[in-house]
Amino acid sequence: QQPVQSPQAVILREGEDAVINCSSSKALYSVHWYRQKHGEAPVFLMILLKGGEQKGHEKISASFNEKKQQSSLYLTASQLSYSGTYFCGTEKRVSGGTSYGKLTFGQGTILTVHP
Amino acid sequence: KAGVTQTPRYLIKTRGQQVTLSCSPISGHRSVSWYQQTPGQGLQFLFEYFSETQRNKGNFPGRFSGRQFSNSRSEMNVSTLELGDSALYLCASSSGQGATEAFFGQGTRLTVV
Repeated sequence: QQPVQSPQAVILREGEDAVINCSSSKALYSVHWYRQKHGEAPVFLMILLKGGEQKGHEKISASFNEKKQQSSLYLTASQLSYSGTYFCGTEKRVSGGTSYGKLTFGQGTILTVHP
Repeated sequence: KAGVTQTPRYLIKTRGQQVTLSCSPISGHRSVSWYQQTPGQGLQFLFEYFSETQRNKGNFPGRFSGRQFSNSRSEMNVSTLELGDSALYLCASSSGQGATEAFFGQGTRLTVV
């Protein structure tokens, strides 16, 4: 079952903050966040593992509430380059740990940053 | 470090034909996952290969198949193409060891006419 992202779209001015949420009905092992610009490949932003471990590459923070199976992506002091569609991909918890590369993606949140 | 390479970038095929798409992962990565992206269905998981073995499979018909070679390069095949197979096909490369970041290729845009 697909995770639900909210909001579906958000419009910001440069410098403003935004939060994108991702909720799943399944027990999760990890949550992955990606940004995709039109005509380009999704770019890895962050992975959050159960137990609190995080791995990320940019000045973007995120949280993972294991009890609620929810993750939030925090975009602070937004820049024009932050525009794009943000996807969360969830990895279901299975016996033995990871479900081997199978990410179930949400429908995406379109973020537009204006000057 | 070279990224994930998918070939070809664009394909136009006729209904009923078959097609093979290729994905070369990042050097050292042993896992390749394939996804189909459409405006209506979003990103959907097709299958994942690790060290030449399929470890996971999504809910796609048997017309969709894949394989992985000893150098970790992967191919995806779709037989008896249907109009609904028109999509962007993306592959993602990762180490495959536990939950790790996956890096996507630019994708192959398949159009079935």
